Order: sequence, then C-alpha cells, then structure tokens
Amino acid sequence: DAGITQSPRHKVTETGTPVTLRCHQTENHRYMYWYRQDPGHGLRLIHYSYGVKDTDKGEVSDGYSVSRSKTEDFLLTLESATSSQTSVYFCAISEGGAGGAFFGQGTRLTVV
Amino acid sequence: AQSVTQLDSQVPVFEEAPVELRCNYSSSVSVYLFWYVQYPNQGLQLLLKYLSGSTLVESINGFEAEFNKSQTSFHLRKPSVHISDTAEYFCAVSPLTGGGNKLTFGTGTQLKVEL
Repeated sequence: DAGITQSPRHKVTETGTPVTLRCHQTENHRYMYWYRQDPGHGLRLIHYSYGVKDTDKGEVSDGYSVSRSKTEDFLLTLESATSSQTSVYFCAISEGGAGGAFFGQGTRLTVV
Repeated sequence: AQSVTQLDSQVPVFEEAPVELRCNYSSSVSVYLFWYVQYPNQGLQLLLKYLSGSTLVESINGFEAEFNKSQTSFHLRKPSVHISDTAEYFCAVSPLTGGGNKLTFGTGTQLKVEL
C-alpha cells in the first residue's frame, strides 16, 4: 500500500463548527487530492495540490479550503460544517502522468 | 471536461460465472482510463489502467478490460468470479495533459457474488 495516512478516521461534529482533516504521505509524490464519496455520486474532487502552497479547486469546492505547507501534508478544512458535508473523505496522491492515483483509507465525517 | 457513465449500479452474479461491468466515457481531450476496486470500509485500490498500445489490459487477479475508442468504452470483465470479488468497482478517467491525475469517476457498480 502507498504510504498515505488520513486522520482522524472517524469524526462526529456539530453543525457550524470548524473541522480539519489531515492527509500525510511518505511517498514524496507531487500531487495530492481530496475527494468526497457519496452514494449515487461516486467520488468527486474537492481540491487538489500540485506542489507546496500550490492548490486549486475541484468540482465541489464550495465550503472547503485546503493548505499544503509541506510536501507530505495536505489539510482539508470545513470552515463551518453543514449536514450536507456528511460524507466519506478520501485523500489521494500521484506522481502524475500514467501512474494513476493512490488512495488513503478514508475519513468518515458526520455532521449533526 | 470529462464524464464517466457506469450503466449498472448493481450486478449480482453466481460464483464461477462470468461478469462484465460496463463503463462509457466522454471527453474532449485524450484520457487515461482506470478501474478501481473498493472493498467494504476501505479505500480505493487501482485494479488496472489503459494508457496506450494494446487495447486489452489485464490485472493480476484475473480481471481484464478492453478499450474501445470508437464506442468510448472501457468495460471490465472476468471469466469466472469468486466470492472474494464482491466489492464496488469504479471506472475513472484523467486527462493526458495538464499535470496530475485529476480523476473523474463514474458512480460505481456494486458486484455481489453469490454462492
């Protein structure tokens, strides 16, 4: 398995509170991604990073922000969590090109 | 922009029977094609990928997928399934250019293998 660690693995939070999810890699891959998985939608890209301090929006970025201050860490922040952000969040890494992306184990977030 | 359609949300099949999971895609640019598998409560694992060359690609556990450019399809097949193949399967594409592997996924097909 690729060296990707997501933390926490499970979290329950209240509506309106800030939440930060962490993705840590040991592979030194350039690209990192945050996806959310919802029934009937597959996985959808939230934000991605193509280098330290270089990030861009994905398909479903509203309500989320990210930061990457080190190659190995990519943080996803929900500034004010809403029930619609209840989901399973996956971090992925890649070197780009033909290699494909490798996924972490996921974080199950419930907003009550 | 890219889009991926997996026509079947669930596919039940008996053990040792053949199976085909269908995937069609749409893209204005050339793409790489991937199949990922997700076992319960786990992350996604790369099953196989098409980059170029031979249109038939194989995985180590007996799955194969065939790229059909004219039909923009990348169907996944296995001639004889096992109980352990029960999982959700996702088809995905990413552009050849633009850097990274920004994947666009289909909605997934749940394969349920029964005795």
